[in-house]
Amino acid sequence: AQTVTQSQPEMSVQEAETVTLSCTYDTSENNYYLFWYKQPPSRQMILVIRQEAYKQQNATENRFSVNFQKAAKSFSLKISDSQLGDTAMYFCAFMKHARIIQGAQKLVFGQGTRLTINP
Amino acid sequence: DSGVTQTPKHLITATGQRVTLRCSPRSGDLSVYWYQQSLDQGLQFLIQYYNGEERAKGNILERFSAQQFPDLHSELNLSSLELGDSALYFCASSADVAGGYNEQFFGPGTRLTVL
Repeated sequence: AQTVTQSQPEMSVQEAETVTLSCTYDTSENNYYLFWYKQPPSRQMILVIRQEAYKQQNATENRFSVNFQKAAKSFSLKISDSQLGDTAMYFCAFMKHARIIQGAQKLVFGQGTRLTINP
Repeated sequence: DSGVTQTPKHLITATGQRVTLRCSPRSGDLSVYWYQQSLDQGLQFLIQYYNGEERAKGNILERFSAQQFPDLHSELNLSSLELGDSALYFCASSADVAGGYNEQFFGPGTRLTVL
């Protein structure tokens, strides 16, 4: 079974600073996907960024980037130029690759990191 | 707006009662996933249906059951409710095409409070 661990329950930074959220995972799979989801106070789950395990290049989405270390099973999220709107819970998640037809692709989530951006 | 709808938004009930949560997936999506977000257990996968059939089960209690109807909407039934069942219940849908990435689109959730 896969497990995802986020060791930072809470983090707080000043607006415009850069912050890095940590995530480690455990799996015996070789092909999989990793995600960071944002959950603002509205409780909506918002996909921030996705990384395919077979890609060596780290994913980037505007101010959000990841550092994917497959051998170390580490997947951190860096938020540059942080904004007040980045205040939210952030969840790291794992999904197996769909090798077979209509295979179940459940998401396995970490416990989350509560990020607060201070003005 | 993800295109996934969930009703009701909020539900307050008493211990021992039974409730039904409803989810309508995005148009064209065949898979529906149910997740529970509670303070002590975090976000965890409950069950998945694909085109009307149960496809995968997670940490779902025996008091809970689900089904997916021919029009692809899904219902999660929670019975003999306990205080610990209070949580935010999310539904997500995806196309679930084999061999590729299938993004799960989350609904807004149903907040269940058991008093």
